[in-house]
Amino acid sequence: DAKTTQPPSMDCAEGRAANLPCNHSTISGNEYVYWYRQIHSQGPQYIIHGLKNNETNEMASLIITEDRKSSTLILPHATLRDTAVYYCIVKAQGAQKLVFGQGTRLTINP
Amino acid sequence: GAVVSQHPSWVICKSGTSVKIECRSLDFQATTMFWYRQFPKQSLMLMATSNEGSKATYEQGVEKDKFLINHASLTLSTLTVTSAHPEDSSFYICSAFNSGGTDTQYFGPGTRLTVL
Repeated sequence: DAKTTQPPSMDCAEGRAANLPCNHSTISGNEYVYWYRQIHSQGPQYIIHGLKNNETNEMASLIITEDRKSSTLILPHATLRDTAVYYCIVKAQGAQKLVFGQGTRLTINP
Repeated sequence: GAVVSQHPSWVICKSGTSVKIECRSLDFQATTMFWYRQFPKQSLMLMATSNEGSKATYEQGVEKDKFLINHASLTLSTLTVTSAHPEDSSFYICSAFNSGGTDTQYFGPGTRLTVL
């Protein structure tokens, strides 16, 4: 699976949009971009995934660049409960393993 | 999303004893489950892939005789840490792969193991 690169930490003010970047320049055509987050002392929580089109659900939006070499997870109105480590993972369709990198520690400030 | 449970949520045991952790997929069947370990301030590390009805597949460096995995049904996988030692103290997390849904893994809440 392709490797991803994320900033180690980010801060965002409560109520503002949090934009978390991820680079995956070696992504292959059949690989999806998945986002998970892990709140302290809990298991990871699935957020969203996409192939090439932008995706939106009740939790977040995923914007994937046209060349698919990078993506951005957007939390439109961040709350204090969104403070967590966010993981961007690339996985081929049908492949089952997820390989976690170090992720981005997002802190939402009041 | 799909629900995965783990039991117990935390356990404290003496060195040399064995500890069993259960992972259940509550609202879907999972032919494949995964076990991860996470040390403080580190990312999740995959330990093994648990396959229903067959032997688990262990990642390099993980001792299969120490971490026994059983996946006897489509909704239950167990991880037994045998002869636990203080260095086995960690946060153990399972996940289940929902191939019938969104091709997505869903994670349990984790089990905090402390070995005295």
